[in-house]
Amino acid sequence: DTGVSQDPRHKITKRGQNVTFRCDPISEHNRLYWYRQTLGQGPEFLTYFQNEAQLEKSRLLSDRFSAERPKGSFSTLEIQRTEQGDSAMYLCASSPDRGGLRNQPQHFGDGTRLSIL
Amino acid sequence: AQSVTQLGSHVSVSEGALVLLRCNYSSSVPPYLFWYVQYPNQGLQLLLKYTSAATLVKGINGFEAEFKKSETSFHLTKPSAHMSDAAEYFCAVRFNNAGNMLTFGGGTRLMVKP
Repeated sequence: DTGVSQDPRHKITKRGQNVTFRCDPISEHNRLYWYRQTLGQGPEFLTYFQNEAQLEKSRLLSDRFSAERPKGSFSTLEIQRTEQGDSAMYLCASSPDRGGLRNQPQHFGDGTRLSIL
Repeated sequence: AQSVTQLGSHVSVSEGALVLLRCNYSSSVPPYLFWYVQYPNQGLQLLLKYTSAATLVKGINGFEAEFKKSETSFHLTKPSAHMSDAAEYFCAVRFNNAGNMLTFGGGTRLMVKP
């Protein structure tokens, strides 16, 4: 169990640029989640995948945000035309699907910190 | 709207003192409850989860939490604080009608004085 891996750890970009983050979940976990955490706040849910299916995306902050998980393994989160307000930590988490048990904890990566100049 | 409230954004205790971090949720149906800890520039690490098998849940690093349905609370405690406990603590709730998303409280920063 190598844990959830996120890349890059830090991203600095100019306003208006597109950015893409990658998340590799724990290998046997078929559920994958993206959260955003701004300074001094708790994480805020963005979207969720079960295998390659994106089952919840209504919480994505705008149409500039999109996520994929094409083969049900790693996932990418893309932000187009970045704005100052997009500066935050973007966290990925994964969890197993064990017979519908709803108390399975989500395991988090160390996040990607995005800074918009 | 369903929400999670952590009373006290900052808590300061002396080393060896009792730690009490508060968490209340708004739901008439008991949800699924978790506590996470976050060290600077890191992700969240699971401390413990409520399983409904027992109201008092033991976690890692000597932490435990008690579920009180009547008070809609899930407060986190540790009998004796260590310097290494200084971190940000988050209560997280999976509400029953909210799919698999977690709703987090605003967090409590624990400071431990020598």
